[in-house]
Amino acid sequence: DGGITQSPKYLFRKEGQNVTLSCEQNLNHDAMYWYRQDPGQGLRLIYYSQIVNDFQKGDIAEGYSVSREKKESFPLTVTSAQKNPTAFYLCASSIGQGGPWEETQYFGPGTRLLVL
Amino acid sequence: GESVGLHLPTLSVQEGDNSIINCAYSNSASDYFIWYKQESGKGPQFIIDIRSNMDKRQGQRVTVLLNKTVKHLSLQIAATQPGDSAVYFCAVGSEKLVFGKGTKLTVNP
Repeated sequence: DGGITQSPKYLFRKEGQNVTLSCEQNLNHDAMYWYRQDPGQGLRLIYYSQIVNDFQKGDIAEGYSVSREKKESFPLTVTSAQKNPTAFYLCASSIGQGGPWEETQYFGPGTRLLVL
Repeated sequence: GESVGLHLPTLSVQEGDNSIINCAYSNSASDYFIWYKQESGKGPQFIIDIRSNMDKRQGQRVTVLLNKTVKHLSLQIAATQPGDSAVYFCAVGSEKLVFGKGTKLTVNP
């Protein structure tokens, strides 16, 4: 898992509840990413950040929010507006010296979110 | 936009055989290609990458081949072992990083 930690491993969400997934890296990487993985589909980008205090929406940002107050941390909040949140969520980071799509992204172990 | 497809969703091989996993991509301007391995319930693990100015790159027991003419990428695993059983997927980078759906490799003892 290369210095990227995600917690918790499993998370249960009730209707109307916001939940926050943690992602921390000690690789001194500038860029961080959040992906969603559903069965039978490729990874889909939710949000990414190339520098502290800045982030951009990915392909499926609706119903999610992020913050990047520290270089090491990039938490993802799944809001009540996300109607189908059940998925495996993956955080990744990359060095951030080039374009985000031109360098290797290293992944954390993932958080599985389930709806009660 | 870019799309990434695979030829086979599953692949079953005998221990000791060589495995070949394929990806096809659509954008001829794509310039960065990555292969990942994902075991059940875990995050993807980087295996090997290649840039568009190369046709072949080798790692430990793995080789990635890039054919830009037909927009095809393959991962070859030599002497496949039971520990290689996992889902393998490619990622293709141009204006964004697009991930394939994955091939599930099963190694039979």
